[in-house]
Amino acid sequence: EADIYQTPRYLVIGTGKKITLECSQTMGHDKMYWYQQDPGMELHLIHYSYGVNSTEKGDLSSESTVSRIRTEHFPLTLESARPSHTSQYLCASSELRDPGYGYTFGSGTRLTVV
Amino acid sequence: GESVGLHLPTLSVQEGDNSIINCAYSNSASDYFIWYKQESGKGPQFIIDIRSNMDKRQGQRVTVLLNKTVKHLSLQIAATQPGDSAVYFCAENIAGGGAQKLVFGQGTRLTINP
Repeated sequence: EADIYQTPRYLVIGTGKKITLECSQTMGHDKMYWYQQDPGMELHLIHYSYGVNSTEKGDLSSESTVSRIRTEHFPLTLESARPSHTSQYLCASSELRDPGYGYTFGSGTRLTVV
Repeated sequence: GESVGLHLPTLSVQEGDNSIINCAYSNSASDYFIWYKQESGKGPQFIIDIRSNMDKRQGQRVTVLLNKTVKHLSLQIAATQPGDSAVYFCAENIAGGGAQKLVFGQGTRLTINP
């Protein structure tokens, strides 16, 4: 079983609402990531963090924001959801120094904005 | 600007046959490569990895081959089973400027026919 948890698994929400996608890991990993993936498509990095109080933008521009106040927690927030934000959001974590066995992924949150 | 998603390449094989999934990577400086398997509704799962100082690595029913000259990576799955049906992504670890991040390839949808 993965030691990284995302909630909710599915979310349908109206346009203009503020939402927060939760991601927590119990492995003590310093590095955490958010990827965006449209159904059946490739993964695009939108945010990453190397540790507490560290956040960086990824390769794909996103209107979302992230925070890293605790090592184990890396929530993603959309201040005002729009239909163009409809997608799957995947959270992952890894060790700081060495990719080791790569990233461990959560099961994802499938977001639908109506 | 808005990105245009590409449909994933597909590969269909008969149950029991061997399958080969190919991937081209972009960065000559990438030092580590990973294959992930993503089943419907789940996050990507680690299958096998290889470092840039190797050209072949074997796991249980899987083999990864790395050709750095042409920047090509392949995943061979022996004696495919119905449970192998999934989307397979290659990923390269790109390091530079003190940062490391995993960049995913386009992915291939593998279908196992009974």
